[in-house]
Amino acid sequence: GQQVMQIPQYQHVQEGEDFTTYCNSSTTLSNIQWYKQRPGGHPVFLIQLVKSGEVKKQKRLTFQFGEAKKNSSLHITATQTTDVGTYFCAGPSDAGGTSYGKLTFGQGTILTVHP
Amino acid sequence: DADVTQTPRNRITKTGKRIMLECSQTKGHDRMYWYRQDPGLGLQLIYYSFDVKDINKGEISDGYSVSRQAQAKFSLSLESAIPNQTALYFCATSDAGRPYNEQFFGPGTRLTVL
Repeated sequence: GQQVMQIPQYQHVQEGEDFTTYCNSSTTLSNIQWYKQRPGGHPVFLIQLVKSGEVKKQKRLTFQFGEAKKNSSLHITATQTTDVGTYFCAGPSDAGGTSYGKLTFGQGTILTVHP
Repeated sequence: DADVTQTPRNRITKTGKRIMLECSQTKGHDRMYWYRQDPGLGLQLIYYSFDVKDINKGEISDGYSVSRQAQAKFSLSLESAIPNQTALYFCATSDAGRPYNEQFFGPGTRLTVL
């Protein structure tokens, strides 16, 4: 079945440093979504990428979707303590990508930011 | 505000007990999901439902059952709880009307099976 792999599993940074997490799918994706889970919280949708090579920005966060639509990345510039949490990527589980709304989640990257 | 709620938020139980986790939503979404989260394993899909008459098994349905009592309610049951079902459980919803529909998660239920 489809697999979504995410690296690294953990990342510790000093406040102000940059951070990147990478997501790779075993199959071509129609779209990819990113979620953030704060410590003790629940996953919250951040963004969705649909087009090959797409790049989207949200303030200090930059999201990319690969040309082959099998990989994606999230880059945070100049991390802040408010960025701590687990970042998940997720791609559609079903063939065709959209019919059933099922998602396969990566294992997540746990980001720790030291002040 | 339209929301996804879960009850209970925390539960400690003993091996062999039957447990029900409940999820309600006021978003008007047709699609509902139950996930299990274990450290380092991300979110694993247990069951999903696309309307009241439609229930489907996910990746890890063994030992679990569900009931979709209404569009707004989706319950997860552990018929005979075992310690390796200790985990954080999330309910989520999504809107079938959107082409690439993001999921909205409830606050989670932390279950401990002794």
